[in-house]
Amino acid sequence: KAGVTQTPRYLIKTRGQQVTLSCSPISGHRSVSWYQQTPGQGLQFLFEYFSETQRNKGNFPGRFSGRQFSNSRSEMNVSTLELGDSALYLCASSPLRSGGTDTQYFGPGTRLTVL
Amino acid sequence: AQTVTQSQPEMSVQEAETVTLSCTYDTSESDYYLFWYKQPPSRQMILVIRQEAYKQQNATENRFSVNFQKAAKSFSLKISDSQLGDAAMYFCAYSRNTGNQFYFGTGTSLTVIP
Repeated sequence: KAGVTQTPRYLIKTRGQQVTLSCSPISGHRSVSWYQQTPGQGLQFLFEYFSETQRNKGNFPGRFSGRQFSNSRSEMNVSTLELGDSALYLCASSPLRSGGTDTQYFGPGTRLTVL
Repeated sequence: AQTVTQSQPEMSVQEAETVTLSCTYDTSESDYYLFWYKQPPSRQMILVIRQEAYKQQNATENRFSVNFQKAAKSFSLKISDSQLGDAAMYFCAYSRNTGNQFYFGTGTSLTVIP
């Protein structure tokens, strides 16, 4: 099976712009989670989607949003970009079937730089 | 809130030797999962091993094994016969059994010396 794919891999934006990142999970996986990784804050959970519904949300401002499509592909959007949003954004998919938790398999990440 | 602590920012080990990475966590839950992931310079997070809290037996995957002490809330990773390819940042992660929301530690950077 193909792994988790993320596009684009690198992105440069300026403050105030918005950005959309895309994630395609492993075939058959219905759970998709997003994480932000920075040198200062480490790995922080953004949100999880399961069967097109947001099931868990981390402690991030409303500028960060996401969605999941019927084919389990997910997008996250960041509006009004700030310098502090510069980070590696990681997407992970899981074979989770319903409730509970399961192993997450990560994509290669999208490196976002905000100038 | 759940917290995961990795008290060793950096560790080093001689090739073919054994090294143990430490992780402690704080939770009031009884049903949860613990994971170790490695992140090499490519930044790709790779699952190393996982442990279900309800299982008393420590998980093992080839050269990787854990020492899970539930009462002490400790979850250490032992790497035996260390190889150059084991050099990476290692993250300990915790998740309640209520959805895929992982809490990660700050990581331990492992150097393998030839």
